[in-house]
Amino acid sequence: GIQVEQSPPDLILQEGANSTLRCNFSDSVNNLQWFHQNPWGQLINLFYIPSGTKQNGRLSATTVATERYSLLYISSSQTTDSGVYFCAVVGQFYFGTGTSLTVIP
Amino acid sequence: EPEVTQTPSHQVTQMGQEVILRCVPISNHLYFYWYRQILGQKVEFLVSFYNNEISEKSEIFDDQFSVERPDGSNFTLKIRSTKLEDSAMYFCASSRGGNSPLHFGNGTRLTVT
Repeated sequence: GIQVEQSPPDLILQEGANSTLRCNFSDSVNNLQWFHQNPWGQLINLFYIPSGTKQNGRLSATTVATERYSLLYISSSQTTDSGVYFCAVVGQFYFGTGTSLTVIP
Repeated sequence: EPEVTQTPSHQVTQMGQEVILRCVPISNHLYFYWYRQILGQKVEFLVSFYNNEISEKSEIFDDQFSVERPDGSNFTLKIRSTKLEDSAMYFCASSRGGNSPLHFGNGTRLTVT
C-alpha cells in the first residue's frame, strides 16, 4: 500500500511564528486531505487538495502531485493551533504519521 | 453545516462483551467509513461501506468486527467480543463519493477493561 510520511514528527513554536508541515506519499494519488486533531481528539477538516494551492485565513496548503508531496503552511501561529496535523490519502484510506504541534505563548 | 454524529462519546466495557458503536452520516453521502486511533498513534482505516455492502477492509477488520446500515440513517460498527487491545477512539466518516472529502464524527472512545 501507499506509504504516507509526515515531517517533522514534533514541532514547538512560539506564538506568532510561521511553520511548514510536509506530507510525502510513496505513489501517485488522486486526492489528499489535511486534518487538524485538536486536544479533544476531534478531526477537523482543513483542506481537500488534490493539487495546486488553497488558502483559508492563516493556513494554506500546496500539493504537487507529480512530485508526491503536500505542504501545509501555518502563519502567525496561535495557541489554538496546537494539536496533531494529519494528511490523508482519500480513496486509498491511508493517514500519515502526523505532526504534533505545540504553540507556546 | 451538516455533521456526522456518533454515539456514545465514551463507552466502557468488559473484555469479552459485545459493543455497538453508532454513527449517523451526512444525509446525502453515499460512502461510509470506520477508522480507529489507538491513543498516541495514527488514524487507521478499518472498513468502507457503499451500496449496502463492504467495499474495502483492512487486515484489522477481522471476524470480530461487523458493520451494518440497519435503516436509512444509521451506520453501526459491532465488535463481537472485545479485547483489551480494542481500546481506542473509533471514528466514523462519510463522503459524497469514493474520492470526495471525508467528513468525520467526533469519535467514540472505547475503553475495554
